[in-house]
Amino acid sequence: GIQVEQSPPDLILQEGANSTLRCNFSDSVNNLQWFHQNPWGQLINLFYIPSGTKQNGRLSATTVATERYSLLYISSSQTTDSGVYFCAVDQTGANNLFFGTGTRLTVIP
Amino acid sequence: GAVVSQHPSWVICKSGTSVKIECRSLDFQATTMFWYRQFPKQSLMLMATSNEGSKATYEQGVEKDKFLINHASLTLSTLTVTSAHPEDSSFYICSANREYQETQYFGPGTRLLVL
Repeated sequence: GIQVEQSPPDLILQEGANSTLRCNFSDSVNNLQWFHQNPWGQLINLFYIPSGTKQNGRLSATTVATERYSLLYISSSQTTDSGVYFCAVDQTGANNLFFGTGTRLTVIP
Repeated sequence: GAVVSQHPSWVICKSGTSVKIECRSLDFQATTMFWYRQFPKQSLMLMATSNEGSKATYEQGVEKDKFLINHASLTLSTLTVTSAHPEDSSFYICSANREYQETQYFGPGTRLLVL
């Protein structure tokens, strides 16, 4: 089956710093999404981005489907950005998401 | 819009009992709902996909007789963990798709502890 690896697995940032999270996938996909899971377990949609670049405030994402990776950029990080960031991919076209290994981000004041 | 709720948020039960978890789309009709399981400090794993009025499709390795899924309406899906055992203790999360949209909206999750 498809492998979805995220790096780094853990990241600690000072408030205000920038970071780049990476998602590598081993096969072609129909769909790629980025999620933030807050410390209480709630998943929040960040981006639906099978290809190209999108921006939403301090966050932006780029997916290069031909090279099988996606990047999530966080600028001017805040303590509320803490949590786990997941990318998830779908190969079936039926939106059956396969989640990556996650990056646990801790932003310290 | 696109709010998904789950009930209960926490449940503790004795081994051998059955537990029902509800997933509701509050402000939209969900053509498809998904159930995931997440063990501590691990990723989410898709358990099954359900469409309103039809049988759920289970992922490989998920016992359909143990995890009963009913998608009775366009706003409600239920997951019943039958004869629960301690190894079923986990965080169960549902999600839902709006019609013609690929973005999944996630519920807040249900923490199950089987003693």
